[in-house]
Amino acid sequence: AQTVTQSQPEMSVQEAETVTLSCTYDTSESDYYLFWYKQPPSRQMILVIRQEAYKQQNATENRFSVNFQKAAKSFSLKISDSQLGDAAMYFCAYRSADWGGSNYKLTFGKGTLLTVNP
Amino acid sequence: NAGVTQTPKFRVLKTGQSMTLLCAQDMNHEYMYWYRQDPGMGLRLIHYSVGEGTTAKGEVPDGYNVSRLKKQNFLLGLESAAPSQTSVYFCASSYRGLGANVLTFGAGSRLTVL
Repeated sequence: AQTVTQSQPEMSVQEAETVTLSCTYDTSESDYYLFWYKQPPSRQMILVIRQEAYKQQNATENRFSVNFQKAAKSFSLKISDSQLGDAAMYFCAYRSADWGGSNYKLTFGKGTLLTVNP
Repeated sequence: NAGVTQTPKFRVLKTGQSMTLLCAQDMNHEYMYWYRQDPGMGLRLIHYSVGEGTTAKGEVPDGYNVSRLKKQNFLLGLESAAPSQTSVYFCASSYRGLGANVLTFGAGSRLTVL
C-alpha cells in the first residue's frame, strides 16, 4: 500500500518570502500522480498543483512549483512571494495510475499547517 | 454553478442514532467519493462509486453504507452512530479515466456523535 508522509505539521513564513513544504511517499509503482491540495479555514479542498510521475519536468502554477525527485520519492511544494491568502492546511496526495487497481483512491498525507505572517 | 453540494453542513447525533449525508453534483461526473477528515490523519476514503448503481469500499468503510441510485447523488449512511464517527465528511466527484485526477470537493459536513 502506498503511504504519504508530511514531516512538517506546521510551518510559518513571512509575507512575500518563499517557503517549501515537504512530502515523501512510498510506492512500488512506476506510474502515478502526485498532488498538492490546499484547505483554507473555509474547509474547501482546492487543488493547487499536480505532477505526473512520467514527466521529468517539474510542474508550475504561478507562484506554486514543485520539486519532484522520483528516485528519492520526494515531492515538495514551493510557494514564492507568499501572500496572506496562502495560509491554509496543505495536503500532499498520491494516486496510482493503474487503472485496473486501486487507482480511484487518493492517499493523503496528514497535512502541513502554513501560517503567513504580515 | 453549484459543483458539489453536501447536506447537512453540521449535525449532532446521539450514540446509536442513524442519519444520512447527501452529496449532489451537477457536473455529470461518473465517479463519486466519500472521505472523512480527522485531526492529524489527513483524509481517508470511506466508500466510492464509479457509476450509477455501483459502490465499493475504501480504506475505512466499517460502520457506513452508501448508495448511488442516481448519477448525480451519492448518499452516506450511518446506521448506528458511534463517537468514533465524529469527523468532518467530504464528498468529492470526478470524471472517469484521466479526468479522475481532478477531484471537485464539497464544503464538508461536520458530524458530532455524543
